[in-house]
Amino acid sequence: NAGVTQTPKFRVLKTGQSMTLLCAQDMNHEYMYWYRQDPGMGLRLIHYSVGEGTTAKGEVPDGYNVSRLKKQNFLLGLESAAPSQTSVYFCASGTGSNQPQHFGDGTRLSIL
Amino acid sequence: AQSVTQLDSQVPVFEEAPVELRCNYSSSVSVYLFWYVQYPNQGLQLLLKYLSGSTLVKGINGFEAEFNKSQTSFHLRKPSVHISDTAEYFCAVSDMDSSYKLIFGSGTRLLVRP
Repeated sequence: NAGVTQTPKFRVLKTGQSMTLLCAQDMNHEYMYWYRQDPGMGLRLIHYSVGEGTTAKGEVPDGYNVSRLKKQNFLLGLESAAPSQTSVYFCASGTGSNQPQHFGDGTRLSIL
Repeated sequence: AQSVTQLDSQVPVFEEAPVELRCNYSSSVSVYLFWYVQYPNQGLQLLLKYLSGSTLVKGINGFEAEFNKSQTSFHLRKPSVHISDTAEYFCAVSDMDSSYKLIFGSGTRLLVRP
């Protein structure tokens, strides 16, 4: 009963390095989302996808790219990491626009 | 929804006391409302949701919330809290204006003391 799985769980990067965060869901959901969580700011939407092969920008997309080549996977990329991207990243999936989202356990990313 | 406001960043209560966590939103159209709970080092779990119908919504772990359209509020309540309820609670709203994307409040940390 995996639900939404995020890898890795922790990562430390140096400024300028690149990396990809992977999100996988086994619930056959059409919708997938990437959020970042910062203290006192709740969750802010980075990018989202309403189906395989589609992506769209959220509230804070700058510095990130995403891809949804397979329905069950949603990748978040940082091309050139900056200290301002130090955060906890959450992936979520869901069945529709007015339905609850199911969240992964998060990836803690520190950029030095 | 334009914004979601959770006025209290932290709410300390004693075990077995009642608690109310406040959530107000701004929207001019029909809304869908959610409360999520986040335990330490975990993702968010759905507590309850309001999509339509009865304005009093019951969720898991004894929580309930009441949708008040005139006051644009969706406050979360529990009549008697346990130590295990210590967590961060997020209110979230979606509507047509936000293309049905979830907009989250900044969160309220519930701290239950023995």
